[in-house]
Amino acid sequence: RKEVEQDPGPFNVPEGATVAFNCTYSNSASQSFFWYRQDCRKEPKLLMSVYSSGNEDGRFTAQLNRASQYISLLIRDSKLSDSATYLCVVWDGGFKTIFGAGTRLFVKA
Amino acid sequence: SAVISQKPSRDICQRGTSLTIQCQVDSQVTMMFWYRQQPGQSLTLIATANQGSEATYESGFVIDKFPISRPNLTFSTLTVSNMSPEDSSIYLCSFQPREDSYNEQFFGPGTRLTVL
Repeated sequence: RKEVEQDPGPFNVPEGATVAFNCTYSNSASQSFFWYRQDCRKEPKLLMSVYSSGNEDGRFTAQLNRASQYISLLIRDSKLSDSATYLCVVWDGGFKTIFGAGTRLFVKA
Repeated sequence: SAVISQKPSRDICQRGTSLTIQCQVDSQVTMMFWYRQQPGQSLTLIATANQGSEATYESGFVIDKFPISRPNLTFSTLTVSNMSPEDSSIYLCSFQPREDSYNEQFFGPGTRLTVL
């Protein structure tokens, strides 16, 4: 089993749609959780951290379920500029950061 | 926030040769990381490079193949030695501003390597 698993997609959605990505992790002792965004041929950049209580940043909502070892990202009112690969990232509390393989999103006009 | 740069941005190399990738941060950082991202794949950590000590390599990566230098707190190099086509990948360096807790990792723009 992979340490961090994501649905690779691709997700093809129209502008204005709501789309949700899921991620599961295997290490129950994992400390911190993040979503990164990677545009084509670019480096990954932090999108948002994921907190136990759930958190929202504009159109983006992230949630964590420690009991199920599950992380989600919800994007509302999708924009063309949201097209990218979204990486689920888990930090083990030491020096190791695990990146998921990413979920590709295409938003179409 | 700190700026991180890499060079070369891309290269095409012959098998059997070696390439050294440079990573420069515009502020002093303790921990730097080297990742590989193969086409369509996510990032795989190669090694952690701390200034003043030997790099720590992840399973599947060895110093003879990927020697790393970390001469000071703003600079690191990764060498891909005796290259084969399987080494074709994007290589990224990154740093983490804080050591005691994970905050955010900043990545360089990457080096796109093609081995013929």
